[in-house]
Amino acid sequence: DQQVKQNSPSLSVQEGRISILNCDYTNSMFDYFLWYKKYPAEGPTFLISISSIKDKNEDGRFTVFLNKSAKHLSLHIVPSQPGDSAVYFCAASVYGGSQGNLIFGKGTKLSVKP
Amino acid sequence: EAQVTQNPRYLITVTGKKLTVTCSQNMNHEYMSWYRQDPGLGLRQIYYSMNVEVTDKGDVPEGYKVSRKEKRNFPLILESPSPNQTSLYFCASRTTYEQYFGPGTRLTVT
Repeated sequence: DQQVKQNSPSLSVQEGRISILNCDYTNSMFDYFLWYKKYPAEGPTFLISISSIKDKNEDGRFTVFLNKSAKHLSLHIVPSQPGDSAVYFCAASVYGGSQGNLIFGKGTKLSVKP
Repeated sequence: EAQVTQNPRYLITVTGKKLTVTCSQNMNHEYMSWYRQDPGLGLRQIYYSMNVEVTDKGDVPEGYKVSRKEKRNFPLILESPSPNQTSLYFCASRTTYEQYFGPGTRLTVT
């Protein structure tokens, strides 16, 4: 059973517009969430994170929103650029948990068209 | 430069021929793990290690072994590779708040 779900395998957006990537989770013990970006032939790289004590975290063009009651988070990219085209993975963890591992979603492939 | 390195980056082998993929990190992280990425399945954890001589199974450990004799190294061992282990493999090390990935090893088992 998937604990972290990214229900959209792909998303296409025009350059300059907003990209919204969504992620749902089922485990209420998750208290730390991360987004990773992955280009072909490279390892995933950390993008932005949010703790469950917050509902928003912003870093430049990237903002992550967390809705704990809905067990939902989203990544907003504004404005989108062609270089943002990549696969985006949502991940969650239980801080201080016995395993401490990250649970990843299946990823969403974002294509930003010029 | 802080990094996770993996070798080899590409490997084509035959069924049953033992292989090892090396992983090394220079950040003095205690926690390391191995993932495989497959189309439509995302990143799935194979094994992880919370410190030297401490390893445990992830979500898909069958057919794999690991060892953690030193903090910086965490090799992945396939004793008898099979075609269903054809995949893209990532090693990672982490702090409490962030995980760093290696560049990946593309393995093909024929």
